[in-house]
Amino acid sequence: SQTIHQWPATLVQPVGSPLSLECTVEGTSNPNLYWYRQAAGRGLQLLFYSVGIGQISSEVPQNLSASRPQDRQFILSSKKLLLSDSGFYLCAWSVSLEQYFGPGTRLTVT
Amino acid sequence: GQQLNQSPQSMFIQEGEDVSMNCTSSSIFNTWLWYKQDPGEGPVLLIALYKAGELTSNGRLTAQFGITRKDSFLNISASIPSDVGIYFCAGSYSNTGNQFYFGTGTSLTVIP
Repeated sequence: SQTIHQWPATLVQPVGSPLSLECTVEGTSNPNLYWYRQAAGRGLQLLFYSVGIGQISSEVPQNLSASRPQDRQFILSSKKLLLSDSGFYLCAWSVSLEQYFGPGTRLTVT
Repeated sequence: GQQLNQSPQSMFIQEGEDVSMNCTSSSIFNTWLWYKQDPGEGPVLLIALYKAGELTSNGRLTAQFGITRKDSFLNISASIPSDVGIYFCAGSYSNTGNQFYFGTGTSLTVIP
């Protein structure tokens, strides 16, 4: 069966520091991968999605970037965090018409 | 990206009551999905719908793909305290599942 992992689960970072969140999927090949941000427990905002290695589509211009170095690995990064980057970050995958989410990373920028 | 209209925004119900919520879009979708999210966790897929008019059940949950393909409905029968959470609808145009568009969520509180 397929599983999706995200780490870390929680993160507290100062403004201006870099960020790296990692997501990996097991038990499937060539999935579509997604990064979402959720503020205040509502409203999923799509940040990036990828249909293959090295292929990244950005939905919202901002100081975040994403990379897909391997088929089942998706990384969300920032060079310098802003206060507004705080939120709950969710990774998701799909291989058909269904989408499945990871457990999320709670990021607090102080 | 497109935002789906989901209603109601929140519901407070007594344990044992039935619940109904719906989601509407200005565009036609090929797939409708319903999720439940518990606090601090990722959304969990409850039901997937692929065809206009389709009615699918998962235990006490029943969802329907609207005939117009622009709406979907979720019903929960005989609610219990563990039904508490936020319910999201999501739709996709794509036949390959590339992009999904989400509703704003319905927050459900069940009073024992």
